[in-house]
Amino acid sequence: AQSVTQPDIHITVSEGASLELRCNYSYGATPYLFWYVQSPGQGLQLLLKYFSGDTLVQGIKGFEAEFKRSQSSFNLRKPSVHWSDAAEYFCAVAARSGNTPLVFGKGTRLSVIA
Amino acid sequence: KAGVTQTPRYLIKTRGQQVTLSCSPISGHRSVSWYQQTPGQGLQFLFEYFSETQRNKGNFPGRFSGRQFSNSRSEMNVSTLELGDSALYLCASSTSRDRGGTNTGELFFGEGSRLTVL
Repeated sequence: AQSVTQPDIHITVSEGASLELRCNYSYGATPYLFWYVQSPGQGLQLLLKYFSGDTLVQGIKGFEAEFKRSQSSFNLRKPSVHWSDAAEYFCAVAARSGNTPLVFGKGTRLSVIA
Repeated sequence: KAGVTQTPRYLIKTRGQQVTLSCSPISGHRSVSWYQQTPGQGLQFLFEYFSETQRNKGNFPGRFSGRQFSNSRSEMNVSTLELGDSALYLCASSTSRDRGGTNTGELFFGEGSRLTVL
C-alpha cells in the first residue's frame, strides 16, 4: 500500500532563514505529488503539485519542491521564511490511474521565531 | 468562484448521539471526499462520492456514513458518537477525472467542521 512519510514532526526556524521540509513516499509507480498547508483553525490549501515534466516545481507564497525519483522524495523548500509561514505542512500522493484517494503524511508543524 | 463550504463549523455532542455534517463543493466539482483529522492519527480518509455513488471508503466503522445529492452536495453522518470521534472533519471537492479518465488527485478543502464529543 502507498504511504507517505514526513520524518520531522516539528521544525523551528528563524525568520529569514531557509527551510526544507522532507517528504518520502512509498509507491509502485510515480504518483502525483502535492504539498498542502494548514493554518490554525483552517482547512488545507494547496501549495504546489507535481504531475510530470520539470522536477522542480514552483508554488504559491514563494515555495518550491523538488521531485527526486531515485530517492522517492518530494521535499519542500523556501529560501527565506516569513513569520506568516508558521503552519502545518502536509505532503500527499495520489495514484495516476484509478480512483484511489489522496494519501497524506502526518504533517510537519513549522514554528517561526524572530 | 465560491470555495467548499462546510456546516456547521463547530458543534458539541454527547456520547451516544448522532451528528450530520454538510458540505457544498465548488460549483462544477462532482467528487466530494471526507477526511477525519485528529492530532494523533493525522488526516484519515473516510469516503469519496462521485455522481451520488460512493466510490471509495476508508477503514472506519459502519457508524460513519455519507451520501451525495444530485447537486453534488454531500452529507456525512456519525451515529452513536464516541469520545474518540472528536475531530476536525474536512470535506474536499475535485473535478476528479480528466477526459482520459485519469484522476489528477487535486483536492480543494473546506475549513472543516470541528466536532467535540463529551
